[in-house]
This record gives sequence, C-alpha cells and structure tokens, in this order.
Amino acid sequence: ETGVTQSPTHLIKTRGQQVTLRCSSQSGHNTVSWYQQALGQGPQFIFQYYREEENGRGNFPPRFSGLQFPNYSSELNVNALELDDSALYLCASSLVPGLAGVSEQYFGPGTRLTVT
Amino acid sequence: TQLLEQSPQFLSIQEGENLTVYCNSSSVFSSLQWYRQEPGEGPVLLVTVVTGGEVKKLKRLTFQFGDARKDSSLHITAAQPGDTGLYLCAGGGVYSGTYKYIFGTGTRLKVLA
Repeated sequence: ETGVTQSPTHLIKTRGQQVTLRCSSQSGHNTVSWYQQALGQGPQFIFQYYREEENGRGNFPPRFSGLQFPNYSSELNVNALELDDSALYLCASSLVPGLAGVSEQYFGPGTRLTVT
Repeated sequence: TQLLEQSPQFLSIQEGENLTVYCNSSSVFSSLQWYRQEPGEGPVLLVTVVTGGEVKKLKRLTFQFGDARKDSSLHITAAQPGDTGLYLCAGGGVYSGTYKYIFGTGTRLKVLA
C-alpha cells in the first residue's frame, strides 16, 4: 500500500505566473482534498474532489482550480500568482464517509511554493 | 464560520514534564483528529475520536473528546525531545453537503533535553 505523494517538493514562481501541483492519493482512497498552509498557521481547506468533480470549496478565489483523474490522482492549479500565495500546499486523501460517518484523511509531504 | 481554537499556541518544557493541549470550538463535530507536523512536512495522523467522552491512548499520549463533541484535549506524559513539533486538531463534519475538516490554529511544542 502506497501513501500520498506530491510533486514537486519545492517550486519558485514569479508573480503573475501559473502553477500546477500534483498529488497521488493513497491506495484505495477516492477523495482528495487540498489545503494551503501559511507559515506558522494551520492548514486552510481549498477544495475537495470526489469522482472527478469538485465536492466542496473553502474561501479561495476562482483562480484556484483543480482536477481529479480516473485513478483518483489530482492537480491543483493556481493562476495569476500573488505574493500571498507563497505557502505549503498539502494534499490529503480519504474515503467518502460511509455508514460510520467518519472519514480519516492522510496527508502527503506537501509542495513548498514561493512566489517572488 | 466554524473555528477551532487551540491553546496554548506555544509551549516549551523540559524533558520528563507533563503537558496538556486544548482544542475548543462552539461547533459540534462528527469526528476530531489530532496530527503532529514536523517542519516542511505534511501532518501525520495520530488519532481520530468520534464518540462524545471518548478517550484514546497512544503510548504516552492521551486524547479525549468532549461529551458535547465540541472540544478535545491531548495530554502528553513524561514528554521527550522526540515529541517536539506542531500539534494540530481538526474537526470533521458535513458542511454545505461536503465532509471536510476545519483545522485548529496549532500548538507548537518544544521539549528540551
């Protein structure tokens, strides 16, 4: 069983550019959630994907978009990068909660994005 | 807007001491998870609690979910330098049709040898 993986590990971009971050979910998990974690803060929910569709979104503008593929891997795209987008971007995979009503999520190591 | 507040924000203690970290909210959660995060890495899941009043133990760590499922605590006995890290709580539930997690502000723990 493989864990959650993310690529790249680090990335430096210039303000106004676009970036794509990638995530492979844990084996058997069909839901992927993306989080932004600024330095010294807790992760903030960006959005969640289930069955290749967005299944919920946090307070992030439309320039943050995503995709989920049939193998449950996912991409996070950010357009028109701003300096404040510099953060650790985390991907977490989980199963949609069933009868138990609980869904545990497991995180990847993150992608550190720096916008200059 | 759901908020999870953790206290204390920072904690520096000597090896061997005990400590408790609190996670409080005005919202009811279906589940609550505790994570530990090392610098530059993703959070690692420590435990999930789902029943009000539930207590779970993981070696020297004791986790409790409040009776009303609005708060939780993490108690560490005889802390060791390896316990150093950022401790995060996350409340899970269905919000606007989506099961998602709200993260707390985090408690940064440093255990000195």
